[in-house]
Amino acid sequence: EVQLVESGGGLVQPGGSLRLSCAASGFIFSNYNMNWVRQTPGKGLEWVAHISSSGTSIYYADSVKGRFTISRDNAENSLHLQMNSLRHDDTGLYYCTRDSSAVPRDYWGQGTLVTVSS
Amino acid sequence: DIQMTQSPSSLSASVGDRVTITCRASQGINTYLLWFQQKPGKAPKPLIYAASRLQSGVPSRFSGSGSGTEFTLTISSLQPEDFATYFCHQHKSYPPTFGGGTKVDIK
Repeated sequence: EVQLVESGGGLVQPGGSLRLSCAASGFIFSNYNMNWVRQTPGKGLEWVAHISSSGTSIYYADSVKGRFTISRDNAENSLHLQMNSLRHDDTGLYYCTRDSSAVPRDYWGQGTLVTVSS
Repeated sequence: DIQMTQSPSSLSASVGDRVTITCRASQGINTYLLWFQQKPGKAPKPLIYAASRLQSGVPSRFSGSGSGTEFTLTISSLQPEDFATYFCHQHKSYPPTFGGGTKVDIK
């Protein structure tokens, strides 16, 4: 059974940092491209970042470029999102998602909540 | 960025009703479109991919159609478990973008 379990969310002040993690199981992690997608009160569902199966191809939403870094550890079956210079509008539920060859975002984790507030 | 516009933003319907939700892309996306269902407190779940292909395990009362800029999701006979929010999602080009959602609730 495919499982994606996010962790690392929490309350952080504006300008602060958080590192999100996603533990993957039930599939060969190194064969799949992965993404972070967030759901915020202001913008609804928003794709945040993509990383290819090998980690060599990375894309970011303009809203997070230069502040967030996506990475993966295929030996540990884990995906990460380093979030720096956090802003109020980064508040939301962050999901780890898998891309199959036919169906992008075919599996989602349960999400981890990030709250940016002073 | 490609903007995805869904309509209506909400609708009320009864069990057994036929429901149609529309999604319009700001530019052509061929059939690089998915439909997701999201229930309260849960992650989105894919229903339809490639605009019209049913994801494994999804009931056949769900169907999708369209290509280019106009797409529809149809529920042929609404069931109690179908009351949820539905989103369209294009993956033709980066950044992938989502529609604003259509909340289907009980009349």
